[in-house]
Amino acid sequence: DIQMTQSPSSLSASVGGRVTITCRASHDISNFVVWFQQKPGKAPTSLIHATSSLQSGVPSRFSGSGSGTDFTLTISSLQPEDFATYYCQQYKTYPYTFGQGTRLEIK
Amino acid sequence: EAQLVESGGDLVEPGGSLRLSCGGSGFTFSSFNLNWVRQAPGRGLEWLAHISYGSTVIHYAESVEGRFTISRDNAKNTLYLRMNNLRPEDTAVYYCAREKYYDYWIDLWGQGTLVTVSS
Repeated sequence: DIQMTQSPSSLSASVGGRVTITCRASHDISNFVVWFQQKPGKAPTSLIHATSSLQSGVPSRFSGSGSGTDFTLTISSLQPEDFATYYCQQYKTYPYTFGQGTRLEIK
Repeated sequence: EAQLVESGGDLVEPGGSLRLSCGGSGFTFSSFNLNWVRQAPGRGLEWLAHISYGSTVIHYAESVEGRFTISRDNAKNTLYLRMNNLRPEDTAVYYCAREKYYDYWIDLWGQGTLVTVSS
């Protein structure tokens, strides 16, 4: 199985700030990574697929990069609604696997 | 608008069984691959099972293989998860999730249904 190691597990940032979340895959997964945002009590929603393709309707302050085993999600100019938990997931092969999640909190 | 709605979550005793359902609407249900994903209280997301649009391909996570069975009825636009021999560690919110057509990433989630395994 492919392991997805996500870091950090939590971070604090200010409105207007910039954060980067990383995911490392245990094997080469090309660009088959999707990033989800989850708010408390809600289902996840997709932000970015294929490493860097922004889902329709997602603000351009979200961006993704990487390939192979190392991937990043960057949120620039943080807005109050961005404070949530973020997950990466590989869909290169089954079993699909998620990162452990990153909880983004307001500083 | 495309939508998935889960149902069937309940309180069940250890060793018991339960069947979850997930109804799809607003899209051509029979054309999409589907998955079940769960989230234990305060924990992260765990992928459980996949079924292809025609039920010809099925995959399971090791943690549930042999106990859980995924199936679908395209005539009823419904996905199922049959769960047997439930354990306290199966307590979670269970989500059904659709894969993007011909692209395999999850693009649509249901709202989830809570399964609690406790005596």
